Amino acid sequence: DIQMTQSPSSLSASVGDRVTITCQASQDISNYLNWYQQKPGKAPKVLIYDASNLETGVPSRFSGSGSGTDFTFTINSLQPEDIATYYCQQFDSLPYTFGQGTKLDIK
Amino acid sequence: QVQLQESGPGLVKPSETLSLTCTVSGGSISGYYWSWIRQPPGKGLEWIGYIYYIGSTSYNPSLKSRVIISVDTSKNQFSLKLTSVTAADTAVYYCAREGRSAYAGAFDIWGQGTMVTVSS
Repeated sequence: DIQMTQSPSSLSASVGDRVTITCQASQDISNYLNWYQQKPGKAPKVLIYDASNLETGVPSRFSGSGSGTDFTFTINSLQPEDIATYYCQQFDSLPYTFGQGTKLDIK
Repeated sequence: QVQLQESGPGLVKPSETLSLTCTVSGGSISGYYWSWIRQPPGKGLEWIGYIYYIGSTSYNPSLKSRVIISVDTSKNQFSLKLTSVTAADTAVYYCAREGRSAYAGAFDIWGQGTMVTVSS
């Protein structure tokens, strides 16, 4: 299985801050990576697909980059509604695997 | 728009079989891969497996010996059976659609999730 390692596991930031989360794959996965946002009690929602493509309707303050084994997810100008847990997910090979999650809250 | 709804018992006894169904509404089950994903309380996401609408499947090796996913296209439903459950199988279970074309590999539509507790 491909292991996905996210960091940090938790993060506290202020409204307006730029927030960065990283995800490292245990082997080369090209750009076969997605990012999800999960709010408490809700199902995850895809924000970024294929490492850098913004899902329709998702605010442009969210972005993703990277390829191979190292990926970055960024929120420019954090908003209160961005409080959630964020997960990366690889689909290069089965079984699909997720990172352990990054819990983001407001300082 | 397409919506998914999980249904099934919220409580299952140890050693018994967990059975859940996902009903697809607002669209056809045809042409897509459909997955089950679970999340133990306070923990991360684990992909259980998927079924293509014509019936081909793939399972997570960690659960493969205990999992069966099936599809009923006439009812626009797919189902999960997990045998010999233990407390470690307690989780919120989600059904999800894998997108096509540019969205292949991304779970673009999810059910709301259903909590299943394994306890006597």
